[in-house]
Formats: sequence, C-alpha cells, structure tokens
Amino acid sequence: GAGVSQSPRYKVAKRGQDVALRCDPISGHVSLFWYQQALGQGPEFLTYFQNEAQLDKSGLPSDRFFAERPEGSVSTLKIQRTQQEDSAVYLCASTSSAPSPLHFGNGTRLTVT
Amino acid sequence: GENVEQHPSTLSVQEGDSAVIKCTYSDSASNYFPWYKQELGKGPQLIIDIRSNVGEKKDQRIAVTLNKTAKHFSLHITETQPEDSAVYFCAALMRGNQFYFGTGTSLTVIP
Repeated sequence: GAGVSQSPRYKVAKRGQDVALRCDPISGHVSLFWYQQALGQGPEFLTYFQNEAQLDKSGLPSDRFFAERPEGSVSTLKIQRTQQEDSAVYLCASTSSAPSPLHFGNGTRLTVT
Repeated sequence: GENVEQHPSTLSVQEGDSAVIKCTYSDSASNYFPWYKQELGKGPQLIIDIRSNVGEKKDQRIAVTLNKTAKHFSLHITETQPEDSAVYFCAALMRGNQFYFGTGTSLTVIP
C-alpha cells in the first residue's frame, strides 16, 4: 500500500550542474504529473504523462527541463545547467483516471547555490 | 489563461471556532474540485473533493460547497482543532486533465 515515492528528498546543486529527480507512482496509476512549488505558493503544473506518453509539457519553464517515463511507471525529471531560480520543491503526483484526485509524494526540495 | 483564486491567504481562529476558505475558478467547464492539506515538509494530502453534479458534500467536521453559476467553491471546517493548522489548497480540474491550484491559505488554530 505504498504511496507516491520521490527521491532524493533534498538536493543541493551548484549552479550549472545537472540534476535528476525520481518519482515512483502508486502501482497501476496511469497518469503522472510533475509540479513545481515555490515557497508560499501553490503547486504549478510542469508536465503530464499518461502511461509512457508525455501528453502535455506546456508548463516546463525552459528547454533545460526534461521529463521521461519510458516504461509507463517510474518517471524522472531532469534539469540541466541548474540556475538559482530553479530552487523549489518538485512534487510528483499520480492518479488512476480523470476526474479523480491526485496523490502526491512528499517532494524533492532542490536548492541551487 | 486559466486560474484559481483563493482567499484568505492567512487565517487564525480560536480552537473550536469555524474556518472558511473561498476559491473562484475561471473555466466554466470545470467539473471536479479537490481540497488539499499540506503540512510542513510533506506533499499535499486530499481532504475532500466535490464534483459539479452536487452542491455540497460533508465529511465529519469538513464540508465543501459549490456554486457553479458563480464559479466559486468553499471549504468549511467546524470545531477546529490545533491539528487542523496547516496550509490548505483548493484546485480545479480544467482543460481536460490539468489541475490548477490556488495560492494556499495558512490556517492557524490557536489553542
């Protein structure tokens, strides 16, 4: 009965480094979402997968951000050449089918120094 | 663009009193509205949701009301307890399968 699992919980990167954030959704959930949450703000949509297909990536802030879900289960969000403005909590959520609630992981807090 | 507005941004109540948080949304086609509670260092957790075919839903001390004509929905917490202190987010499902979130309400229940 595991929920959505994200790793690492905390990541400190020097500006210019690449980072990879992992999300393991609830088993059987076909839809997977990535959100970015700045301090004191609500989650902001980044991208959405249905199985292995990336159906919407309109929220990715730049071409430095890339997400994949090659086998329709685990997903990775990659940020290349990190910048200070990338510092935020990155949340992953999964759901079985719309309309149904998102189940969130505890997020990865990324700090770029 | 699509958006969800949430008020107030902060709310302090005495233990035992009620708390009300209000949200408005832009897409008249939205049909699903969940509410989330987020505690420090954790991801948002669903506390209650409502679909557009009903006007009100209750779960113990928590209730949500929906006015589709006015495009607003509200969260009501009665008999508040210190453990209700957290940040609350409303959300609306829009444009097919994308959720838009409010900016959050930080609720403090004073013992």
